[in-house]
Amino acid sequence: GEQVEQLPSSLIVQEGASVLINCSYTDSASVYFPWYKQEPGKRLQFIIDIRSNMERKQNQRLTLLFDKKTKHLSLHITATQPGDSAIYFCSPNMGYKLTFGTGTSLLVDP
Amino acid sequence: GGIITQTPKFLIGQEGQKLTLKCQQNFNHDTMYWYRQDSGKGLRLIYYSITENDLQKGDLSEGYDASREKKSSFSLTVTSAQKNEMAVFLCASSISWGSSAETLYFGSGTRLTVL
Repeated sequence: GEQVEQLPSSLIVQEGASVLINCSYTDSASVYFPWYKQEPGKRLQFIIDIRSNMERKQNQRLTLLFDKKTKHLSLHITATQPGDSAIYFCSPNMGYKLTFGTGTSLLVDP
Repeated sequence: GGIITQTPKFLIGQEGQKLTLKCQQNFNHDTMYWYRQDSGKGLRLIYYSITENDLQKGDLSEGYDASREKKSSFSLTVTSAQKNEMAVFLCASSISWGSSAETLYFGSGTRLTVL
């Protein structure tokens, strides 16, 4: 089945810094890649997505890069704020199966 | 907007006990899911239901039963609670299934403790 790895598993940055969260998957049948954020004590919520026919998508301070050849995604967060502190999950989707990565825990120090 | 409500928020049971977790959604979504979240292991799918009265096993279904008697509700039963399954159980829903573009909406979770 699909294997999804996220790196790093955790990171701590100073407010205002940029961060990069990486996600690698194994199944080339995955065609849609939503990302979710789980703030402490709150429910997971969708933050950004990309389809396999795209290479880049931006939503304000979030930029998602996708490399179909290497089966790799990167989530770039700029100008981090304490409210960005959360666990981030990528979720490769092949239509009939959704898989979640192991998560990246981000802590933004004010 | 809609919401997914999970009850109870905290569930404490004895080893070997049968325990039921409940989930309600008012999005009018067809598909509902139960995930288990363990620290450092991401989310693993236990059961999902494409529509009312449908049940599909996920990767982690052993030791669990599920029931979808109404479109708006999806319950999960731990058939015999074990100490190694203390985790947070998340319910989610999506508009449909199999479209290759499903975004999930999540409940706030039920934290299970087994004594």
